[in-house]
Amino acid sequence: DIVMAQSPDTLAVSLGERATIYCKSSQSVLYSNNKNYLAWYQQKPGQPPKLLIYWASTRESGVPDRFSGSGSGTDFTLTISSLQAEDVAVYYCQQYYNTPYTFGQGTNLEIK
Amino acid sequence: QVQLQESGPGLVKPSGTLSLTCAVSGASISSTNWWSWVRRPPGKGLEWIGEIFHSGRTNYNPSLKTRVTISVDKSKNQFSLNLSSVTAADTAVYYCARSAAGLDSWGQGTLVTVSS
Repeated sequence: DIVMAQSPDTLAVSLGERATIYCKSSQSVLYSNNKNYLAWYQQKPGQPPKLLIYWASTRESGVPDRFSGSGSGTDFTLTISSLQAEDVAVYYCQQYYNTPYTFGQGTNLEIK
Repeated sequence: QVQLQESGPGLVKPSGTLSLTCAVSGASISSTNWWSWVRRPPGKGLEWIGEIFHSGRTNYNPSLKTRVTISVDKSKNQFSLNLSSVTAADTAVYYCARSAAGLDSWGQGTLVTVSS
């Protein structure tokens, strides 16, 4: 199985400041088609996860442009350029390079 | 817009079988997508359980493979999860989702508690 490791576990950021979450996979998720099989999700209490980013850097339709994804191979980053109150949530990375699909342990994003 | 809705018992006895159904609307289950089950135990992260294609082909998480069966009913546009020999460790919110580039549509989730 591909192991996904996120850091930090908890992140506290002031409103309007940048938030950065890291995700590292135990093996490359870059396929021969030059696509990274890596997604990011946001989960708020009592709600299902919401897909934010796929192919490591493509924003899902309707996701605000303050959310961006980057990275390739085994190292990835989710950045929120200017934190809003509604961004408080748990964030997960996930690889869909092969089954079993695996998630990072989650990063709890709070307001400082 | 695709919508998914889980249904099934919220309480299952230890050693019993957990059975859930996911009804899909706004999209055909016979599309090119796979359809997944994911769970989140209380206080823990997300775990992918398995997926099914409309042909009946499946992929399962090896950690659950001996206990999991996922099936599809094309006539009802739905798919189902059976998890046998459950224990308290199987208590979780269970989600169904559409597999695309990532999991792009999710049900609201249903809490299943394993307890006598």
